[in-house]
Amino acid sequence: GESVGLHLPTLSVQEGDNSIINCAYSNSASDYFIWYKQESGKGPQFIIDIRSNMDKRQGQRVTVLLNKTVKHLSLQIAATQPGDSAVYFCAEAPWLSGGSNYKLTFGKGTLLTVNP
Amino acid sequence: DAGVIQSPRHEVTEMGQEVTLRCKPISGHDYLFWYRQTMMRGLELLIYFNNNVPIDDSGMPEDRFSAKMPNASFSTLKIQPSEPRDSAVYFCASSLSLNRRGLETFFGQGTRLTVV
Repeated sequence: GESVGLHLPTLSVQEGDNSIINCAYSNSASDYFIWYKQESGKGPQFIIDIRSNMDKRQGQRVTVLLNKTVKHLSLQIAATQPGDSAVYFCAEAPWLSGGSNYKLTFGKGTLLTVNP
Repeated sequence: DAGVIQSPRHEVTEMGQEVTLRCKPISGHDYLFWYRQTMMRGLELLIYFNNNVPIDDSGMPEDRFSAKMPNASFSTLKIQPSEPRDSAVYFCASSLSLNRRGLETFFGQGTRLTVV
C-alpha cells in the first residue's frame, strides 16, 4: 500500500510575534535535553540545551522550559524572524545519570513558518 | 573548522547495488553518530562510535547495513545490497565527550540517497 508520511505539527506566526514550540518526551531516565533547528536541505543545528536539574534556561532570543512532572519541554522564540522558519526538534538523552550514554533520541519535529 | 563533512551529497543508485556513504568528523571529536531521516520515521540513530569503537548499533535496521570507523577522521556507512526503502537522508554527526557543559552534537549536511 501507499506509505503515509510523517505529518509534522505546524506553527505559523507573524514576524515579530513570539513563538512557542512544544515537545513531550517519554523516557523518565532522560536528564538532558536539546533543541535543534533544521532548515531545508541542511543538517540539524544546535540551539540550546537544558539539564534536568533546571526548569528554565535562556539564550539569545530563545528560552527553554522543562517540566519534568509531565515530561514536557518547550522552546520559546522571542520576536520571531523569517530566518527562524525551519523544523524544530527536541532531543533527549539519559546522559547525566552516568554510563556515558551519548545516545540522543529525537522527537518528530515541528514546522515553524514565519510570515513577513 | 569546516564542520562535519559528508560525501556524496546526493546518491542515486539501482536496487541491489552497494552504496557507501562517507563522513569526516570534526577534528578532535571522539564521538561519531550515523542517523537516518525519513518522512515516515523522522530522525533515527543507526549507530555511534566512541574513539573509533562501535558502542551501540541497535538502530542498524538489517545486516545489509554496516558501519566502520578505521581512524578518528573517517567513517563509512555501507548498504549492500541497497533497496528502495533505504531511500532517505543519512546524517553523520560528531561530538566531544570532554565538553561537560553539554552534549552539543554537530551534524553534517547529509547524503540524500535514492534507490530506484
